[in-house]
Amino acid sequence: GDSVTQMEGPVTLSEEAFLTINCTYTATGYPSLFWYVQYPGEGLQLLLKATKADDKGSNKGFEATYRKETTSFHLEKGSVQVSDSAVYFCALRMYRGSNYKLTFGKGTLLTVNP
Amino acid sequence: KAGVTQTPRYLIKTRGQQVTLSCSPISGHRSVSWYQQTPGQGLQFLFEYFSETQRNKGNFPGRFSGRQFSNSRSEMNVSTLELGDSALYLCASSLEVGTPYGYTFGSGTRLTVV
Repeated sequence: GDSVTQMEGPVTLSEEAFLTINCTYTATGYPSLFWYVQYPGEGLQLLLKATKADDKGSNKGFEATYRKETTSFHLEKGSVQVSDSAVYFCALRMYRGSNYKLTFGKGTLLTVNP
Repeated sequence: KAGVTQTPRYLIKTRGQQVTLSCSPISGHRSVSWYQQTPGQGLQFLFEYFSETQRNKGNFPGRFSGRQFSNSRSEMNVSTLELGDSALYLCASSLEVGTPYGYTFGSGTRLTVV
């Protein structure tokens, strides 16, 4: 079945460091890919998305490129801030049976220290 | 515009009791999905409703049920609570079933079963 694997955390960085959170997926077909962010005590927020191969999603300085050849959607940011501390979820969405199904990775906790 | 509203934010229940959680989607959104989030299992899909009909269902026992009203508000019910049902329950709404643009999540209801 469909699955998403993302790097295990926690990830701890200093402010202004470069961030990469790896995400790979397994799916038969061409999924849409998403990154969601969950700040402490809150629900998930859509951070960025890509719906086809080679698309680059970007938002708030974060970027991820849909790589079909490596089945990856790695999240990057050039200079993290303390306010980026949160849990990040990679997800894919596929049409299965008669419905769309959203599958999440386990999440990666990011802590950014001043 | 108002986001997805989940009530209550926190609940403490005793084993064997039942509980009802509520979700009001973004105005105009007709699809509501429910997820259970736990540290061990991550985010797991419970069910999705659209136009008062359950369109998709995850692998949860029959103790977990839901419904959607004509105004798109949704409730989920868990009967005969078990300790393992302690989790953050997230509701997500979207315009239609199958939109490729992802969901908008609420802040969740934190259920603790003692």
